[in-house]
Amino acid sequence: SQQGEEDPQALSIQEGENATMNCSYKTSINNLQWYRQNSGRGLVHLILIRSNEREKHSGRLRVTLDTSKKSSSLLITASRAADTASYFCATVPLGSWGKLQFGAGTQVVVTP
Amino acid sequence: KAGVTQTPRYLIKTRGQQVTLSCSPISGHRSVSWYQQTPGQGLQFLFEYFSETQRNKGNFPGRFSGRQFSNSRSEMNVSTLELGDSALYLCASSSTGENEKLFFGSGTQLSVL
Repeated sequence: SQQGEEDPQALSIQEGENATMNCSYKTSINNLQWYRQNSGRGLVHLILIRSNEREKHSGRLRVTLDTSKKSSSLLITASRAADTASYFCATVPLGSWGKLQFGAGTQVVVTP
Repeated sequence: KAGVTQTPRYLIKTRGQQVTLSCSPISGHRSVSWYQQTPGQGLQFLFEYFSETQRNKGNFPGRFSGRQFSNSRSEMNVSTLELGDSALYLCASSSTGENEKLFFGSGTQLSVL
């Protein structure tokens, strides 16, 4: 079973706009990660935020984590057509090895 | 550094057959984990290996098995294939498998007819 939910399921925006997606999870975690997947391909790691961190930036990405609400958000600023992909949050449960629990993903389409 | 390599890229099998998928991790990575991705169930964890030992296992039937070799390469096997086993099987590697980001291969797309 999946760890949590992502919202929205799909997002359609124009180039230059910001894209925000949210993730909720259920259990205590070591860290939360965001991945991108282009259609039918493998996942690419975007950013990792540890349970004791509240916000992290990487290029055009900004991730927040609220452990009290068991939720995270991913913001992509100034979207490009190349950002079109599915985005997944994944949590690392306490005491797990190599196991990520993925959300259902948000499908993002960026129109030129 | 070469990435995670999975072979074959596509596979078509019929019900009742068995299949073996292969994964070569990034050089130096000792943890290899496997995931199944389907439209209905999403991404689900199968199992994780470290230094030839299975450390973690997901909720899949015993028809799904795996192993890891001394060079960290891993294989997963599915016996007595069912239609519902049709999926993208993804392999991922990391240095230790503990609280790290994972590096994924492009996957093996398995179709069971």
